[in-house]
Amino acid sequence: ELKVEQNPLFLSMQEGKNYTIYCNYSTTSDRLYWYRQDPGKSLESLFVLLSNGAVKQEGRLMASLDTKARLSTLHITAAVHDLSATYFCAVDGKEGSQGNLIFGKGTKLSVKP
Amino acid sequence: DSGVTQTPKHLITATGQRVTLRCSPRSGDLSVYWYQQSLDQGLQFLIQYYNGEERAKGNILERFSAQQFPDLHSELNLSSLELGDSALYFCASSPHTGRYSNYGYTFGSGTRLTVV
Repeated sequence: ELKVEQNPLFLSMQEGKNYTIYCNYSTTSDRLYWYRQDPGKSLESLFVLLSNGAVKQEGRLMASLDTKARLSTLHITAAVHDLSATYFCAVDGKEGSQGNLIFGKGTKLSVKP
Repeated sequence: DSGVTQTPKHLITATGQRVTLRCSPRSGDLSVYWYQQSLDQGLQFLIQYYNGEERAKGNILERFSAQQFPDLHSELNLSSLELGDSALYFCASSPHTGRYSNYGYTFGSGTRLTVV
């Protein structure tokens, strides 16, 4: 069974600190997605990582993908309160199941002053 | 606004009833996907349509069905509703069949279904 595991599931950070969210997956997927969700809101696409070694950055967030290790990381630099949200990683499901994204359980990030 | 429109935003109904959720994909997108988000199951893929045809099925119950119309909007029908069907239902869209899209998937704002 294809699994996507995120850790930590809960993260309380102080403003200005750095931290990393990890996403491990069990399939041989060559692409990985990161989404952000505010409470009761939609999923906002943050990054689409398309190949091994891909690194993308947007503001204080940087995502990377290691397909050999089946690992993606989302690094937060100098956190600010506006980054408080739940972050999900996801991979494509099995071949032939286009759009069948398999999501992790999400990491609920709380940034405190 | 992501460009994916879902209606209604909230729906409260009784057990045993039937409801229809509606989704209009982003302009130019041919694929529509339905996902269910609940506290215990997380985000789960239900079904995908591409240009009017069913393309992939996930953990969709037999009581649930969907279709995509010629104008590409999609409807998710949920029948014989149970308390456990209470969840946030998302629709997403993508330009093609999805797997080869470099742009990922665009999600709508969801329909919150409460079954009482």
